[in-house]
Amino acid sequence: GDSVTQKQGQVTLSEDDFLFINCTYSTTTYPTLLWYVQYLGQGPQLLLKVTTANNKGISRGFEATYDKGTTSFHLQKASVQESDSAVYFCALVNNNNAPRFGAGTKLSVKP
Amino acid sequence: ETAVFQTPNYHVTQVGNEVSFNCKQTLGHDTMYWYKQDSKKLLKIMFSYNNKQLIVNETVPRRFSPQSSDKAHLNLRIKSVEPEDSAVYLCASSRDRWEQYFGPGTRLTVL
Repeated sequence: GDSVTQKQGQVTLSEDDFLFINCTYSTTTYPTLLWYVQYLGQGPQLLLKVTTANNKGISRGFEATYDKGTTSFHLQKASVQESDSAVYFCALVNNNNAPRFGAGTKLSVKP
Repeated sequence: ETAVFQTPNYHVTQVGNEVSFNCKQTLGHDTMYWYKQDSKKLLKIMFSYNNKQLIVNETVPRRFSPQSSDKAHLNLRIKSVEPEDSAVYLCASSRDRWEQYFGPGTRLTVL
């Protein structure tokens, strides 16, 4: 079945550092890939979405590229801020199913 | 205000009791979901409802049951809670499969 893997449970950075969060997926088709962000005390919210048609998603300074060769969808940001501290979920949507979420990566940004 | 609303915010109860959580969305979406988020932030889908039809049920225990009066409401009832039910329960709605709008969650603690 479909699966999403986020190996980094936690990432700690300082402001203005470069962010890289790893995400790989496994599926037999070409799904839509997403990143959700969950701030403390809130539910997750969609950060960006990429389909096979556009390959790259950009939102609020974050970007992710759909790489079918390596089946990866890593999240990057050039310069993080303390307000980016949150849990980031990679997710996959296939056919008519609800999103399948990765385990999440907690980002802590020190001022 | 258009959003997903959940009540209560928190609930503490004893093993064996029955609990019920409410969810309402004012976004006009056709599909609603319940997710369970454990202490490690892992998100697991429990149910989804589309036009009052149950379309996903991810092998949750029978003591859990969704209840819907119309497409804007999806409540969750737990008949006899157990310690492993302690978690945050997140309600969500969507128009399409990938962009889910989450409520703030209900935190359940079972003593």
